[in-house]
Amino acid sequence: DSGVTQTPKHLITATGQRVTLRCSPRSGDLSVYWYQQSLDQGLQFLIQYYNGEERAKGNILERFSAQQFPDLHSELNLSSLELGDSALYFCASSATGTGFEKLFFGSGTQLSVL
Amino acid sequence: LAKTTQPISMDSYEGQEVNITCSHNNIATNDYITWYQQFPSQGPRFIIQGYKTKVTNEVASLFIPADRKSSTLSLPRVSLSDTAVYYCLVGDYNNNDMRFGAGTRLTVKP
Repeated sequence: DSGVTQTPKHLITATGQRVTLRCSPRSGDLSVYWYQQSLDQGLQFLIQYYNGEERAKGNILERFSAQQFPDLHSELNLSSLELGDSALYFCASSATGTGFEKLFFGSGTQLSVL
Repeated sequence: LAKTTQPISMDSYEGQEVNITCSHNNIATNDYITWYQQFPSQGPRFIIQGYKTKVTNEVASLFIPADRKSSTLSLPRVSLSDTAVYYCLVGDYNNNDMRFGAGTRLTVKP
């Protein structure tokens, strides 16, 4: 158990809909990362937050947004969903968000867009 | 951000030692090398990290030559449960962009 909690584990929705994925980092970790993993794209970095502030942005679509709340949990919002958004979404956390820190990953949210 | 290159896939047999090499020709002075393991439908898991020479833990060894332009993850006596994707990352304390490459898909056969 990594200590990172992601909910829900599975999500099935339709095209055009909006969903919210939730992540609770390990106790004491200040930084949260979001990744998308689909079969043909590998593990894609989306965005990173540190103590409530956006710190780095990767290949995140404009239809996607994220935030980190004062209690340090994070939410990834996906809107106007398309079939191609079907993927496994991972959240990871680290203590301070620096490049050589160990990342702890959650078990992911499997999103299916039908 | 130092770019990394790894073999796409490797096959091995149970009980063998497996060495996966990662090339990072543009590694910077302050960069560390980190390896992660990912099983299907699970999040990646930290395996080992090093800066130079050799690092060993209960799971693997990491060999880094003096020029640090490559590194080798060594898995001793693999078993079927070591079948996974292995990722090499290079970064320093200034690097906030933790991108994973394609990784190396290791298949261990009986």
